[in-house]
Amino acid sequence: EVHLEVSGGGLVQPGGSLRLSCAASGFTFNDYWMTWVRQSPGKGLQWVATIERDGNEKFYESSVRGRFTVSRDNAEKTLYLQMDSLRVEDSGEYFCARLSGYPDYWGRGAPVTVSS
Amino acid sequence: SYELTQPPSVSVSPGQTATITCSGDALPKKYAYWYQQKSGQAPLLVIYEDNKRPSGIPERFSGSSTGTMATLTLSGAQVEDEADYFCYSTDNSNYPRFGGGTRLTVL
Repeated sequence: EVHLEVSGGGLVQPGGSLRLSCAASGFTFNDYWMTWVRQSPGKGLQWVATIERDGNEKFYESSVRGRFTVSRDNAEKTLYLQMDSLRVEDSGEYFCARLSGYPDYWGRGAPVTVSS
Repeated sequence: SYELTQPPSVSVSPGQTATITCSGDALPKKYAYWYQQKSGQAPLLVIYEDNKRPSGIPERFSGSSTGTMATLTLSGAQVEDEADYFCYSTDNSNYPRFGGGTRLTVL
């Protein structure tokens, strides 16, 4: 059974940093592209970043490019999102998802609150 | 920027058919996908590639796409289907896009 577990969320001040982790199990992790999606309070879903199987190609939504870094450790079957220079508008629930050309399995989200 | 547009809310009585639409200019060339999200839970894929149903998803869920509009249909909606539903697709540059979501109320 595919399982994705997100951890690392929390409260941080504007300008601060957080690192999210997404531990994968139940599938061959290095066969899949992976992605991060966030959901702001009371709002819809927003794509954040995507990483290909080997970690060499990365794609970012324009508002996070240069501040967020997506990476993966295939040996540990873990996906990461390093978030720097955080802004209030980055607050929300962060989900990781497996990609089969589209997000097919999602982990439960981790809350990120950016506030002074 | 590219948008996928959904109605904010749809309301039906149990057993009725619920229809949720998603409009986008790239949909004639791109597949639509649908996700169900219940409060506090991760999104669940219910329709992929316009009209395919993943294993384990009840047959009452169906999808279609014509021109610039994709449609999710729940034939005989149940109380447990009450949730937010999001459409997903990609734009002409293959960037992922989500619709704003539709709150389905079944009562």
